[in-house]
Amino acid sequence: DAGVIQSPRHEVTEMGQEVTLRCKPISGHDYLFWYRQTMMRGLELLIYFNNNVPIDDSGMPEDRFSAKMPNASFSTLKIQPSEPRDSAVYFCASSLDPQGDTQYFGPGTRLTVL
Amino acid sequence: QKEVEQDPGPLSVPEGAIVSLNCTYSNSAFQYFMWYRQYSRKGPELLMYTYSSGNKEDGRFTAQVDKSSKYISLFIRDSQPSDSATYLCAMSPIQGAQKLVFGQGTRLTINP
Repeated sequence: DAGVIQSPRHEVTEMGQEVTLRCKPISGHDYLFWYRQTMMRGLELLIYFNNNVPIDDSGMPEDRFSAKMPNASFSTLKIQPSEPRDSAVYFCASSLDPQGDTQYFGPGTRLTVL
Repeated sequence: QKEVEQDPGPLSVPEGAIVSLNCTYSNSAFQYFMWYRQYSRKGPELLMYTYSSGNKEDGRFTAQVDKSSKYISLFIRDSQPSDSATYLCAMSPIQGAQKLVFGQGTRLTINP
C-alpha cells in the first residue's frame, strides 16, 4: 500500500490567497484526520471524518478553514483567506474503524504564508 | 494548562545510553496511551501502544503507564543514532484512534 498521500508537499503563498491541501487516505480506512503542527503548539487535531462525514471540527481555528471529504478516497483542507499565522505543517492521517489502534500519517504539507 | 504536558527538549545523549522520555496528563479519563516517533520532515508513526496502567516491552523500547500519578514514560535501551527523532506521546479516553491528544514532542539526538 502506498500509505497516506498528501499534496502538495510544499506550498508558499501570499497572505490573502486561497490554499487547498489534498489527502488520499489508505484504502479501506474509515477515519480521516487533519492535523496542524507548529513549534509553539505541537500537533493539533483540526477535524476528523468517519465514513466521509465530519464528526468533530472543534479544532478548526476559525471560519477561514474548511474541510471536505466528497468520497472515501479524497479529502481537502481549504484556507481562505490565508494569513501568515497559518504557516505550519499540515498532516492528514487515516485509521480503521472501529477497533483500529493507530493512525497512519501522511508526509505532511509544509505551508508558508508570506 | 494543556491536557498533556511533554518536555520539548532537546535531549542529547551518547550512543548506548538509556533514554527516558516522559509525559504527564490531567484528564483521568485517558485509558489508551501511545508513543509516536517522528523523523525530520516525516509524519509521525506509531511506536508503542498501551492500555491502562502497567508496562509493555518491544525490543529495546519499554512503555510505562502510571495512572495514579497521571504519568507515562518511554524507555529506550542501548540507544542508537537511528533513534534520533522527535517522540510524541498521545492519549485517548476510548479504544480506537479517534481524537488523540498529543504532547508537544521531545526532540532526541543520539550522538555516535
